[in-house]
Amino acid sequence: AQSVTQLDSQVPVFEEAPVELRCNYSSSVSVYLFWYVQYPNQGLQLLLKYLSGSTLVKGINGFEAEFNKSQTSFHLRKPSVHISDTAEYFCAVSKKAAGNKLTFGGGTRVLVKP
Amino acid sequence: DTAVSQTPKYLVTQMGNDKSIKCEQNLGHDTMYWYKQDSKKFLKIMFSYNNKELIINETVPNRFSPKSPDKAHLNLHINSLELGDSAVYFCASSQLKSMNTEAFFGQGTRLTVV
Repeated sequence: AQSVTQLDSQVPVFEEAPVELRCNYSSSVSVYLFWYVQYPNQGLQLLLKYLSGSTLVKGINGFEAEFNKSQTSFHLRKPSVHISDTAEYFCAVSKKAAGNKLTFGGGTRVLVKP
Repeated sequence: DTAVSQTPKYLVTQMGNDKSIKCEQNLGHDTMYWYKQDSKKFLKIMFSYNNKELIINETVPNRFSPKSPDKAHLNLHINSLELGDSAVYFCASSQLKSMNTEAFFGQGTRLTVV
């Protein structure tokens, strides 16, 4: 079975500052990796995903993430945040043999301050 | 032209009642899911159907019964509702046998049991 750990439950950050959200996973087989964002009272929206190939993945809204197999990590970064980036961010993994079932981390709440 | 739509968005009901949540996707996907998000924002899969067949059935009380009349619809029926069933329930869909394994989520149904 796989598991996902998001090391920070809450990250306060000032507007225009960079942010990094940490995600580590454990799995006995190769996995696909995802970051989803949930704005208040909304569903989940995909930010980016890693399936294979280049370990640096670029997503929407200026976010990017780097897959590090040796450290089993998939940290999310944005060089300059906006107030509108205030949301809950979820890291997730899936393995194709498991019906594309997503296993989520506990989430990181990003609060962008003016 | 909503991709994954759930109804209702909000549901308040008394303990012991039976209720249903409906989900429809117009993406042509062959697989649909129900996820539960608890009060601490933790997301966990409940069920998954592929072409109307149950493929994932996590440890969920048998008061919860999913039904898939066709591959575009996955409904969730809950019998004898309990206070602990209060949560946000998300429907999602994806294409199982595809290189693009992204799951699309609905807006969620906030269930409150009083």
